[in-house]
Formats: sequence, structure tokens, C-alpha cells
Amino acid sequence: RKEVEQDPGPFNVPEGATVAFNCTYSNSASQSFFWYRQDCRKEPKLLMSVYSSGNEDGRFTAQLNRASQYISLLIRDSKLSDSATYLCVVNRRTGFQKLVFGTGTRLLVSP
Amino acid sequence: GAGVSQSPSNKVTEKGKDVELRCDPISGHTALYWYRQSLGQGLEFLIYFQGNSAPDKSGLPSDRFSAERTGGSVSTLTIQRTQQEDSAVYLCASSERAGLSYEQYFGPGTRLTVT
Repeated sequence: RKEVEQDPGPFNVPEGATVAFNCTYSNSASQSFFWYRQDCRKEPKLLMSVYSSGNEDGRFTAQLNRASQYISLLIRDSKLSDSATYLCVVNRRTGFQKLVFGTGTRLLVSP
Repeated sequence: GAGVSQSPSNKVTEKGKDVELRCDPISGHTALYWYRQSLGQGLEFLIYFQGNSAPDKSGLPSDRFSAERTGGSVSTLTIQRTQQEDSAVYLCASSERAGLSYEQYFGPGTRLTVT
């Protein structure tokens, strides 16, 4: 079983839609959680960290459920520019900041 | 300011040849990481450098892979006797420090194709 699992998608949604992605992680020692965004043939970039209490950044809301080892990302009012692959990332302290990446969920927002 | 840079951006090589991939981290960043991303796979950690400490090589897939970091700045990832399964995008990242709260900034990657 992969340490971080995501539905690969693609999720096809119209502009203005609300879409949610889920991610599960297997290692209970995971300490920090992130969503990264990766555009086609580009490097990953940090979208937002995920806090235990849940956090929001504009149209983006991230939730963490440690008991179920589950992370979610909600995007409201989707824009064409949100089309990308969203990577779920967990950080397991092993003497350094080791990031473990999911394979990503692809989102396609259409006009 | 300048981000992480990598060179070359693309490299095509014949099976069995050696290749060197270069990473210039953000100035002042003490931590440097190498990852690779194969088609349809998540990013896979390869090696980590922190300052002048011995690197963590736990992610290197075989002894054909090695990396060094000179003067605590530029890093070179070397793959000897390349195989077709080495074809991937090799990404370098750096962070100000190695702690959990320090964001890793990624370079644009080197796309390696082994024919």
C-alpha cells in the first residue's frame, strides 16, 4: 500500500463549481500535511499547509482528520486557472523534513 | 529573488552512459533535496543535504546514483551506467533550514530520457 493515496481523477468540472479532493495516508507518524499544486510540465508549488483545526485560504479550504488519517481540499467557485494536478503531501520527521508525495489528483475546469 | 535553478532542462542519453545533473539552490538555503518523478508516479525522495553534515542517501535507488554538494551550495546528481528505467524528471528543492516549518522550493527539473 502506498504511504499517500489519492484518486488520480481527472475531475472535470465547469467554472464556478465546487470540487473536493481526498487523500489518505498510512503512516501515523506523519506530522505535517500540505497540498501542492503542479501545472503540466512544471515544478510543484506549495498551495497550502493543512492544520488540525482546518484552514481556509480564499476559495480553498483544507481539512485534516488524524483519527481517520484523511486530508481533504475543497475548492469553491472553480476558475479555469485552477486546472492543475493537486498533490497531497505528508511530512514524516526522520531526522529531516522528508516529504512523501501522493501521485496527485488532476483537475480540469472547463468554461 | 532568484529561485532554484537546474541544468540541463532536458537530457537525452544512451543506455550505459553517465549523466550529471546540476542544481543551484536559493542563495542562503542550507537544506537541499533531490527527488525524481516518473510518469504516473509521485515524487520520490532521493537524497538530502543539510549544511556540512553527511547527506541522507536513504532514497537513492542503487549504487549507480550519487550526489555531492560543494561548498554548501551547488549540488550535482550523477547517474552512472544509465538504464531506461532511470528516465524521469529529476527535481531539486531547497529550504532555508531543515525543520518542519520551512517550505521546500522546487526547481523546474531536468527531464532525463535514456534511449
